[in-house]
Amino acid sequence: AQKVTQAQTEISVVEKEDVTLDCVYETRDTTYYLFWYKQPPSGELVFLIRRNSFDEQNEISGRYSWNFQKSTSSFNFTITASQVVDSAVYFCALRITLGSQGNLIFGKGTKLSVKP
Amino acid sequence: ETGVTQTPRHLVMGMTNKKSLKCEQHLGHNAMYWYKQSAKKPLELMFVYSLEERVENNSVPSRFSPECPNSSHLFLHLHTLQPEDSALYLCASSQESKGVSTDTQYFGPGTRLTVL
Repeated sequence: AQKVTQAQTEISVVEKEDVTLDCVYETRDTTYYLFWYKQPPSGELVFLIRRNSFDEQNEISGRYSWNFQKSTSSFNFTITASQVVDSAVYFCALRITLGSQGNLIFGKGTKLSVKP
Repeated sequence: ETGVTQTPRHLVMGMTNKKSLKCEQHLGHNAMYWYKQSAKKPLELMFVYSLEERVENNSVPSRFSPECPNSSHLFLHLHTLQPEDSALYLCASSQESKGVSTDTQYFGPGTRLTVL
């Protein structure tokens, strides 16, 4: 079975703090994709990153960075020097590649509040 | 218009009404999706139209009826809904290859539905 766990329901930080959002996934498939999406109060899910299961290189994009570790089935997301505009719900998602008919398995999300 | 658009953004309806949600994608994709996002529940895939095939989540009640007249437009027809159907309904699109689901889903802003 496929499953995504985001154990942190809510996180509150003060601006300029670093924050890490955890994501643990379960799948028996060897080929899969992992995603992070951001959902601001407006509701739209904004795509942030996609990683495939064969690429364990960490990625950095501005203040955002992602740490993919297959050994622990984790795909954690770190925001450096957080800003108020980072306040949103963040979703981690898993997609297997064969016969999945487009099914993204989402975690329950982590609500991040960044206070000024 | 760019990306994925959805109309209306907000909808209030009675249990005896019939209404439709509309989604349009301007990305040249060949697959479209309906998701339901209820409070405190993970995002739930309702329907997929991919490569001219329709796939549905068998747990979706028949009071929800999708229609996909072409690869750019997707509708969700609603009739005799229940108050528990109140949720954010998100549309997404992606570019798929036969048998292999690899690509990123891009989401619209959603329709906030309230059933009285």
